[in-house]
Amino acid sequence: DGGITQSPKYLFRKEGQNVTLSCEQNLNHDAMYWYRQDPGQGLRLIYYSQIVNDFQKGDIAEGYSVSREKKESFPLTVTSAQKNPTAFYLCASSKLDRESPLHFGNGTRLTVT
Amino acid sequence: RKEVEQDPGPFNVPEGATVAFNCTYSNSASQSFFWYRQDCRKEPKLLMSVYSSGNEDGRFTAQLNRASQYISLLIRDSKLSDSATYLCVSDPAGTYKYIFGTGTRLKVLA
Repeated sequence: DGGITQSPKYLFRKEGQNVTLSCEQNLNHDAMYWYRQDPGQGLRLIYYSQIVNDFQKGDIAEGYSVSREKKESFPLTVTSAQKNPTAFYLCASSKLDRESPLHFGNGTRLTVT
Repeated sequence: RKEVEQDPGPFNVPEGATVAFNCTYSNSASQSFFWYRQDCRKEPKLLMSVYSSGNEDGRFTAQLNRASQYISLLIRDSKLSDSATYLCVSDPAGTYKYIFGTGTRLKVLA
């Protein structure tokens, strides 16, 4: 079955540590996205990529980094510079087509203490 | 002004009621619009795409009003299982940079 896989589902880290969240898709989608969701809030765009080796900052990119070395993979690193990293992180992908919606992974719940 | 805005609710409605949500967008160049449903602590799931001509799927109807820059979602004959948060999303400037509204929470009461 085609889909998006995020791992791990739950992640715990100590403050000051960098952590990388995995996102892999086998839908052959060109575009991939990372969103952050805080309790009771909507999704906020961190980074997105429309082609391999290229990506753009979203609305809240500070303290995060990404890479897009392969079409299938778009890992997100939460660095120690991110002030409030505890959140629900969602990865999505889509075709570059006006009528194609976003497909989401199951999310990674990151807790930093 | 936010690029995509929704009334956060909650909307508390009895079973069988009809309920409508609106979502306004600020960039007239937005090309794509979708409604997603999100259950607590889960990922959003696509509910409907929103086309210029409108879109209907069973009890759900989505409309686009370009003149007033909003999309709407109408749910008829509400079920308890419709209780969720409904998110609208668009791509300001038509660049595939998808921005979500904050979501509207719906509670259908028995």
